[in-house]
Order: sequence, then structure tokens, then C-alpha cells
Amino acid sequence: DQQVKQNSPSLSVQEGRISILNCDYTNSMFDYFLWYKKYPAEGPTFLISISSIKDKNEDGRFTVFLNKSAKHLSLHIVPSQPGDSAVYFCAASSGAGSYQLTFGKGTKLSVIP
Amino acid sequence: DAGVTQSPTHLIKTRGQHVTLRCSPISGHKSVSWYQQVLGQGPQFIFQYYEKEERGRGNFPDRFSARQFPNYSSELNVNALLLGDSALYLCASSETGTVYEQYFGPGTRLTVT
Repeated sequence: DQQVKQNSPSLSVQEGRISILNCDYTNSMFDYFLWYKKYPAEGPTFLISISSIKDKNEDGRFTVFLNKSAKHLSLHIVPSQPGDSAVYFCAASSGAGSYQLTFGKGTKLSVIP
Repeated sequence: DAGVTQSPTHLIKTRGQHVTLRCSPISGHKSVSWYQQVLGQGPQFIFQYYEKEERGRGNFPDRFSARQFPNYSSELNVNALLLGDSALYLCASSETGTVYEQYFGPGTRLTVT
């Protein structure tokens, strides 16, 4: 049973527009969430995270929103750039001090110039 | 500074064989985690080692084993290979083993025929 779900396998966005990637989770014990970006032939790279005590976290062009009641989070990229084209993974853990990540299947983002 | 390194990059094995994958963490990092990423899925947690001791294990059979050496490098061993073991095996290192600061290597692509 998938505890972290990314229901959109792919997303195409025009350069300069907003990219919104979505993620849902089912495990109520999850309270720390991360987004990773992965290029082909490279390992996942940490992008941004959010703790359940917050509902929003920003880092430059990247913002993550958390809706705990809906068990839903989203990653917004504004403005989208061609270099953002990659697979984005949503991951969750039971606390920032935990050692185990549970990943979604990923969403492949294509930013069209 | 060198990032997480993994060897080999690719390998092909036959069903029933044994395989050893290697990981060198970032200098100063004492923890190594292993993840399996099957095509079309997100990475799935296999093991974490911290200070040469197993700290956690995911839902994988006993055919999977690992160890960490005094220099904090790690080996992942898989016995009696099955076709379903074909995957990208990712290693992540961190100073304390928490998910907050895990850095992933590029992975080893294992194909079982």
C-alpha cells in the first residue's frame, strides 16, 4: 500500500509559468516532508522540506505547502525554468530526526522553453 | 569535497548469483543508508548503518544484507538474485543519520537476467 502518493506521473509547463506538483500521504505518523529532484544518471538531490508545525516553507523559487487535515502537500516552482526539468519525488518521515524516508513514485516535470 | 560515490555504475548478473555493491560516504559522515529504486517507483528504504551498526531495516528479505566498515564505507550484498532485484540501488550518507541531511550517490544500476 502506497503511503505517499504522487498521482501525476508527468507534468508539462511553459517556461516562466508556475509548476505545481502534488503529493498525498496516508500515514498519520508522518510529520516531516521533503521534496527531492532527480536528473538522469544522478542521485536524488534535496530541494526543500517542511515540518508539520508549519503550513508553508519558501526557498527562492520553491515553495512547499502542507495541508495536514487533507494529508496533502504541494510544491510550487515560480517561475519555471528549463533546468527544472527533472523527476520530483515527495518523501515523508516520522520526524526530522528519523532515519527512514518513504518516497512517492515521482512526477516527471518538463519545462518547455 | 567529493560527494557520495558508488561502485560499480552498472552491472549485469544472472538469476541465483550473488552481488556486492559499494558506497563511500561524504568525508565526516558516519551514516550510510541504502535504497532500492525499481523502474517507475520511488526509492524504497533497505537499511541504515550508523557507526558500523545496523540502525534500521526496511521490508526486504534476508537475502539482502549490508555492513559498514571502520572508514564508514558500506557494502550491500544480495544473495540468490531474482529478476525482481533489477533496480537502481542508491546509497545516501549523512553525519547523524537523520533524513534532514541525507545526500544521495548516483546509484548502481543492477540488471538481473
